[in-house]
Amino acid sequence: QITLKESGPTLVKPTQTLTLTCTFSGFSLSTSGVGVGWIRQPPGKALEWLALIYWDDDKRYSPSLKSRLTITKDTSKNQVVLTMTNMDPVDTATYYCAHILSTAMGADAFDIWGQGTMVTVSS
Amino acid sequence: SYVLTQPPSVSVAPGQTARITCGGNNIGSKSVHWYQQKPGQAPVLVVYDDSDRPSGIPERFSGSNSGNTATLTISRVEAGDEADYYCQVWDSSSDPVVFGGGTKLTVL
Repeated sequence: QITLKESGPTLVKPTQTLTLTCTFSGFSLSTSGVGVGWIRQPPGKALEWLALIYWDDDKRYSPSLKSRLTITKDTSKNQVVLTMTNMDPVDTATYYCAHILSTAMGADAFDIWGQGTMVTVSS
Repeated sequence: SYVLTQPPSVSVAPGQTARITCGGNNIGSKSVHWYQQKPGQAPVLVVYDDSDRPSGIPERFSGSNSGNTATLTISRVEAGDEADYYCQVWDSSSDPVVFGGGTKLTVL
């Protein structure tokens, strides 16, 4: 059974750096084809994809946020870490990590999601 | 970057069929995934690769994709289907993951 859980601060100040950790079980990020993604959702708004990381350390970032994001993995700890610099109140959102399903059509989907963690950016 | 357009809301009576659309330029050439999100919960994948269902998803949920429109169809709608629904595509470019703006399904 695959599970994921996000952890990190609930409140950050503007200009600070946010560090979120996704701790997972039921799969290994050292297994070929496996990946984890981060997605966020501001209150009352739509889902927004942030970043992906795969078993071979291939990384993808949302073009609009690429300069502020870094995604890394720690295979031994079964963790994926996302950092976002220069936080702003508009970054207030629930942040989710999710397991990537590499489909038969070669189009990645997010099949298992963590519960999400709410991050508020305020002074 | 690629844009997906969904209607903000769809309403349907219990037992009827709901159709939620997702528009995009030549979206028929891409694989479309659909997520259901109930209030206060994480999204759940209900359809992937246009029309496949993950295990545990009822057959009432189906999908199609052609031309510039993909459609999620929910047959015999139940009160428990009331949720926000998001489409997503994988685009093998610098912006590989794109979500639609979401559609709120109301069961009357």
